Amino acid sequence: GAGVSQSPRYKVAKRGQDVALRCDPISGHVSLFWYQQALGQGPEFLTYFQNEAQLDKSGLPSDRFFAERPEGSVSTLKIQRTQQEDSAVYLCASSRARTGVWETQYFGPGTRLLVL
Amino acid sequence: TQLLEQSPQFLSIQEGENLTVYCNSSSVFSSLQWYRQEPGEGPVLLVTVVTGGEVKKLKRLTFQFGDARKDSSLHITAAQPGDTGLYLCAGVKNYGQNFVFGPGTRLSVLP
Repeated sequence: GAGVSQSPRYKVAKRGQDVALRCDPISGHVSLFWYQQALGQGPEFLTYFQNEAQLDKSGLPSDRFFAERPEGSVSTLKIQRTQQEDSAVYLCASSRARTGVWETQYFGPGTRLLVL
Repeated sequence: TQLLEQSPQFLSIQEGENLTVYCNSSSVFSSLQWYRQEPGEGPVLLVTVVTGGEVKKLKRLTFQFGDARKDSSLHITAAQPGDTGLYLCAGVKNYGQNFVFGPGTRLSVLP
């Protein structure tokens, strides 16, 4: 089935390295969300795209975090100069509609990032 | 400060028992969703509740949205080992885009 896919599934980085996490949403889905899930916690909103437009990036924790979706499909979350506190699972979700409130968000399996 | 609180944090029960988990907030939400997340996977949506006082049933799962739209509960009847997982509630405020997740209730159903 063509669900949301994310790569890599696991990433180990040394402190200070840059990382790039990829999300392939379900084909045709307009909305795309990125979340950060720390160990033992629920997901925390990072940013939201409607097609290629980043409509909300209020959840990005610092200017080291950058997300893009240049052609309105695949999205990349980039973290520069990684810190140990960036260690978490990064989840991507997509939904069909322009507004996400009542539409189902389909989540990918996540990328587990460990910063040493 | 957690916008959404969930209780209990952990719950371990025997197969066949009933259970209720709670999602509470001091804020009003325009809608609230429940998800189940298994290890190594993303959350999967179980239900969306929109109207205060609304009750929805999904097989052995019963979801209720509080009258004031500040809280919700999930009741599972005759729990089975396949119900094991992390149950997350997520709320949307003011019909916006952002989902705010609670910390989750980790349920373990023992055979």
